[in-house]
Amino acid sequence: ETGVTQSPTHLIKTRGQQVTLRCSSQSGHNTVSWYQQALGQGPQFIFQYYREEENGRGNFPPRFSGLQFPNYSSELNVNALELDDSALYLCASSLAGVGKTQYFGPGTRLLVL
Amino acid sequence: GQQLNQSPQSMFIQEGEDVSMNCTSSSIFNTWLWYKQDPGEGPVLLIALYKAGELTSNGRLTAQFGITRKDSFLNISASIPSDVGIYFCAGQLTGANSKLTFGKGITLSVRP
Repeated sequence: ETGVTQSPTHLIKTRGQQVTLRCSSQSGHNTVSWYQQALGQGPQFIFQYYREEENGRGNFPPRFSGLQFPNYSSELNVNALELDDSALYLCASSLAGVGKTQYFGPGTRLLVL
Repeated sequence: GQQLNQSPQSMFIQEGEDVSMNCTSSSIFNTWLWYKQDPGEGPVLLIALYKAGELTSNGRLTAQFGITRKDSFLNISASIPSDVGIYFCAGQLTGANSKLTFGKGITLSVRP
């Protein structure tokens, strides 16, 4: 069984640029959630995708967008990068439904200069 | 966004000691979870609690779901060096997306 994988592991961008982060869900999982973890903080929910559609969103602006593909993998896109977007971006996969455990990938460390 | 309350920010214990961590919230959750995060890794689930009052163990770890549904604690017994890491509590509601709401985490150091 393959766990959650994310790419790239690290990324450096400049303010105003756009970035795409990728996530492959654990085998058999159909739901992907994205979280932003700033330094010294707990992860904050960005949004979730189920059946290729956004299924709930946290308190993040529209320049944070995503996609889910038929194989359940997912992308997180951030436009017009700001310095405060520097963080660890975590992807978690799960089965759909109540009480289903979310399994996290190792994250992508984004630095915006 | 909302975060659960975890304190202190750091804890230092001697190998072999027990340690307890508490997590509180101003709102109710249906599920409480405890995760551990090592440097350069994503959070790993330690224990999940699904019912108010539930007490669950996983090896040397024991966690309880508070009866008010607004708090939880995690106890680690007989600590060992590999217990070092950041411990997060997370709450989950039974809703459309079952998002996780995390605390800020407690960094645990274990002195050999």
